[in-house]
Amino acid sequence: KQEVTQIPAALSVPEGENLVLNCSFTDSAIYNLQWFRQDPGKGLTSLLLIQSSQREQTSGRLNASLDKSSGRSTLYIAASQPGDSATYLCARQGGSEKLVFGKGTKLTVNP
Amino acid sequence: GAVVSQHPSRVICKSGTSVKIECRSLDFQATTMFWYRQFPKKSLMLMATSNEGSKATYEQGVEKDKFLINHASLTLSTLTVTSAHPEDSSFYICSARAWLAGGGETQYFGPGTRLLVL
Repeated sequence: KQEVTQIPAALSVPEGENLVLNCSFTDSAIYNLQWFRQDPGKGLTSLLLIQSSQREQTSGRLNASLDKSSGRSTLYIAASQPGDSATYLCARQGGSEKLVFGKGTKLTVNP
Repeated sequence: GAVVSQHPSRVICKSGTSVKIECRSLDFQATTMFWYRQFPKKSLMLMATSNEGSKATYEQGVEKDKFLINHASLTLSTLTVTSAHPEDSSFYICSARAWLAGGGETQYFGPGTRLLVL
């Protein structure tokens, strides 16, 4: 069974802190790995997509890495801001077109 | 990025009625769309894959007669929850598959539909 685990489930940090969100998956046969942001009661916004041939992707203050051999991905957020408060979801895509999601990490950045 | 819309954003209905949710890709064509369901503090669970011009593919445990999917055009898929019951209350999210310029694919997600069955 394909599983995606995200740790921690919730994280609260003061503004300005750098932080790392973790994602692990059981099946290393990965097509791509995506990180999404979800605000309360809203849909998903894609943040970063890492294809299987890549090791990391960067966008602004966000950096995502992928280590297929260990089945891990991390999302690094630099200089966190209150506007970064949301739930962050990672999802792996295997050989099929299906995305398998983790339960997410709920991030709160306190002013 | 590409835009996917959902309508309605929120619906309240009585038990036993049917509810239709629309998912539209606004600026691209999507031969494949996906329907997900999300319970509070849970992962998004894929319900079915909607293919334009053919029958949807349902995930194990999802009743196809309960959740009717129609993908009649390249920009529209609909999910109809038939004879809704309170346990069908959930957040339903659709996505549309798109191809990336540099190769590979991704999914663009709609804003979701909150269904409450009384």
